[in-house]
Amino acid sequence: DGGITQSPKYLFRKEGQNVTLSCEQNLNHDAMYWYRQDPGQGLRLIYYSQIVNDFQKGDIAEGYSVSREKKESFPLTVTSAQKNPTAFYLCASKAIQGTTYEKLFFGSGTQLSVL
Amino acid sequence: DAKTTQPTSMDCAEGRAANLPCNHSTISGNEYVYWYRQIHSQGPQYIIHGLKNNETNEMASLIITEDRKSSTLILPHATLRDTAVYYCIVKNSGNTPLVFGKGTRLSVIA
Repeated sequence: DGGITQSPKYLFRKEGQNVTLSCEQNLNHDAMYWYRQDPGQGLRLIYYSQIVNDFQKGDIAEGYSVSREKKESFPLTVTSAQKNPTAFYLCASKAIQGTTYEKLFFGSGTQLSVL
Repeated sequence: DAKTTQPTSMDCAEGRAANLPCNHSTISGNEYVYWYRQIHSQGPQYIIHGLKNNETNEMASLIITEDRKSSTLILPHATLRDTAVYYCIVKNSGNTPLVFGKGTRLSVIA
């Protein structure tokens, strides 16, 4: 089945620890995105990438880092500099070639909590 | 991208049509109207989009006013599984990412 997979579903972080959230897609999509969602709020953009080895900061990139070494993978690292990391993290992907409209495919999310 | 305004919440009886409004009075001529929904603890799901004409697919219908300043998403026969947050987004076809607001929380009641 084609799709976008996030892991783990639940993650706990200790103070001062970096953690990495995984996002993999087998849709052959060019663009990938990371959003953060706090309870009762909309989604806020952390980082996005439209091509391998290139990515751009979103609205709330501070305290986060990403890499895009492969087309199908876009891991997000929540660093110790992110002082309030507890949130629901969503990864998404989108085809750029052959389409002019914004149909994003989302993973099922990772809930990150601080111990 | 133009901003949108949606009601915070709505209720709908099961089996009835759910009509979700969205105002986008500053929409530009090249901006599309997109609708996504998010069921609790899941990622958002694309529903439908349109530019000028009304659109229909297997999930919903999208009615856009002639002046394009507002639109309505219609779920013709709402079921309990349609309970979700519905996001109305306006965006052009450029490569900037989608911006999700707080959406409308639709509760379908048995």
